[in-house]
Amino acid sequence: GAVVSQHPSRVICKSGTSVKIECRSLDFQATTMFWYRQFPKQSLMLMATSNEGSKATYEQGVEKDKFLINHASLTLSTLTVTSAHPEDSSFYICSARYGGNQPQHFGDGTRLSIL
Amino acid sequence: EDKVVQSPLSLVVHEGDTVTLNCSYEVTNFRSLLWYKQEKKAPTFLFMLTSSGIEKKSGRLSSILDKKELFSILNITATQTGDSAVYLCTPNTGNQFYFGTGTSLTVIP
Repeated sequence: GAVVSQHPSRVICKSGTSVKIECRSLDFQATTMFWYRQFPKQSLMLMATSNEGSKATYEQGVEKDKFLINHASLTLSTLTVTSAHPEDSSFYICSARYGGNQPQHFGDGTRLSIL
Repeated sequence: EDKVVQSPLSLVVHEGDTVTLNCSYEVTNFRSLLWYKQEKKAPTFLFMLTSSGIEKKSGRLSSILDKKELFSILNITATQTGDSAVYLCTPNTGNQFYFGTGTSLTVIP
């Protein structure tokens, strides 16, 4: 149980392109989803927290107009990196959980490379 | 400021050795402490600890929490090469999860 699917797993695209990443909870309803970014050999950096049906809460320093998050249903959240540039290249990971006292379960991550 | 400190930062052991990974935390509104294992992709869930002194066990892995000292340990006995990974601990405050830099464990055959 508690499977989270993230798609795509790998994206390579040109600078200026917008990239959409999907995160789905397959066998549970995710009241909260989280989006992280991870640089090589560094820990997970929380970008934003989203609750179904409401606006995402962004961490300090994360541009909400750059990283658009939509959590339209209890099983799907999307992260769109708008007008991506090489400095946006990173490993993006989503996680989902049901309830505030439950562990979060992670998707397999999306490796984004902007040329 | 909330924080998580894990030690050691990295560890290299031989197969069969036992290792202890440490996690200290300092957060407000603490609810639980979680351990994850991260190999090449995203972290996989290992344990969630909510009460002090109660050991959680899964095969060769076990973990325990001390809420008074704001500390947790993860033990791995009879290590195998498949245990090589980064181990992350994170305190859950309900609204946020704070991740440390993790302990990188390498098990040599």
